[in-house]
Amino acid sequence: NAGVTQTPKFRVLKTGQSMTLLCAQDMNHEYMYWYRQDPGMGLRLIHYSVGEGTTAKGEVPDGYNVSRLKKQNFLLGLESAAPSQTSVYFCASSYWATEAFFGQGTRLTVV
Amino acid sequence: ELKVEQNPLFLSMQEGKNYTIYCNYSTTSDRLYWYRQDPGKSLESLFVLLSNGAVKQEGRLMASLDTKARLSTLHITAAVHDLSATYFCAVDSRNTGNQFYFGTGTSLTVIP
Repeated sequence: NAGVTQTPKFRVLKTGQSMTLLCAQDMNHEYMYWYRQDPGMGLRLIHYSVGEGTTAKGEVPDGYNVSRLKKQNFLLGLESAAPSQTSVYFCASSYWATEAFFGQGTRLTVV
Repeated sequence: ELKVEQNPLFLSMQEGKNYTIYCNYSTTSDRLYWYRQDPGKSLESLFVLLSNGAVKQEGRLMASLDTKARLSTLHITAAVHDLSATYFCAVDSRNTGNQFYFGTGTSLTVIP
């Protein structure tokens, strides 16, 4: 069982470049999430989705966009990367009222 | 906005000792989750607490939930080095689409 798979695992971007992070889950979960993790700040929710074709903003959505065209995939886009977006990004998925399962993370550095 | 606070943020303890990590949250919720994260790794689910008074135990770890006090505890019994990790609690918000709000984490180091 693959669970939650994120690609890529590492990426270095120059300021102003764009990129898309892909998250895929094979557990048929309705809910999917994108978090960023920064030292001393825990995990902060960027965007989330409650089902195919839906997305919603979390705590820190600025500078990011998301899409969920298929139930199993949740894409996170950075249109114009900034150094402040240097972080570790985690995707997660869940059913209603159960724990979230996390991907392995993407370490992004913006220079 | 739902706030989740953990303390302590850093914990250094000797092997064989007991200690408790506390997790307070700001609004009504009856679902509380504990996760473990090893350095450079993802988050692993430890416990799911779904009602007031819930208690779960796995090995040297025991988690409890008091929804009236908006408090969860993670108790460590006779710590061993393998328990060294960062521990997060998280609460989901029934009012906002099953979002998970995380505490800032407790970095635990068990010293031989």
